[in-house]
Amino acid sequence: AQSVTQLGSHVSVSEGALVLLRCNYSSSVPPYLFWYVQYPNQGLQLLLKYTTGATLVKGINGFEAEFKKSETSFHLTKPSAHMSDAAEYFCAVSFNAGGTSYGKLTFGQGTILTVHP
Amino acid sequence: KAGVTQTPRYLIKTRGQQVTLSCSPISGHRSVSWYQQTPGQGLQFLFEYFSETQRNKGNFPGRFSGRQFSNSRSEMNVSTLELGDSALYLCASMEGWTRTEAFFGQGTRLTVV
Repeated sequence: AQSVTQLGSHVSVSEGALVLLRCNYSSSVPPYLFWYVQYPNQGLQLLLKYTTGATLVKGINGFEAEFKKSETSFHLTKPSAHMSDAAEYFCAVSFNAGGTSYGKLTFGQGTILTVHP
Repeated sequence: KAGVTQTPRYLIKTRGQQVTLSCSPISGHRSVSWYQQTPGQGLQFLFEYFSETQRNKGNFPGRFSGRQFSNSRSEMNVSTLELGDSALYLCASMEGWTRTEAFFGQGTRLTVV
């Protein structure tokens, strides 16, 4: 069975500092990996995704993530935090193994990012 | 293209009642999936419909059901509401058979009193 672990339910950084949100996954087949952001009382917005190809993926708002198969990780980074980055971030996994594996995302528990001025 | 539309945005129901939530996917998308989000359990997959057929189902009781219409719009029904059903219900729309990317609606906030 697939699972996702996000290390740290809360991360606090200063404005302008590096943002690093950690995600590890467990999957028996090659995964598709995603990072979503959620603002209060809103839906989920896709930041970036990895399906195949280049392991370093760039997303919106200056975020990027690197798929490391050997470490089963997909950590999210941003070189310089902005106040508007304060939100909850979710790592998610799905996998392309056919049948009932389609259409289902498994999410981590989420990481709340706080940005201090 | 318009995004995923969920109605209503907010709902208050009494324990024991039933409720129906609606989701209109992005035009051309044939897959709709539903998720329940609560502070304690996080985001949990309910079920997914593709071309009017349920293709995948999460671990929820039979009180949770859904359907999809020929225009890909989907409804989710919860019968005999319990206090624990209070949650944000999110709908996601996906394109194509492999359904690799999910686009989410704003959600319906259900409160059971």
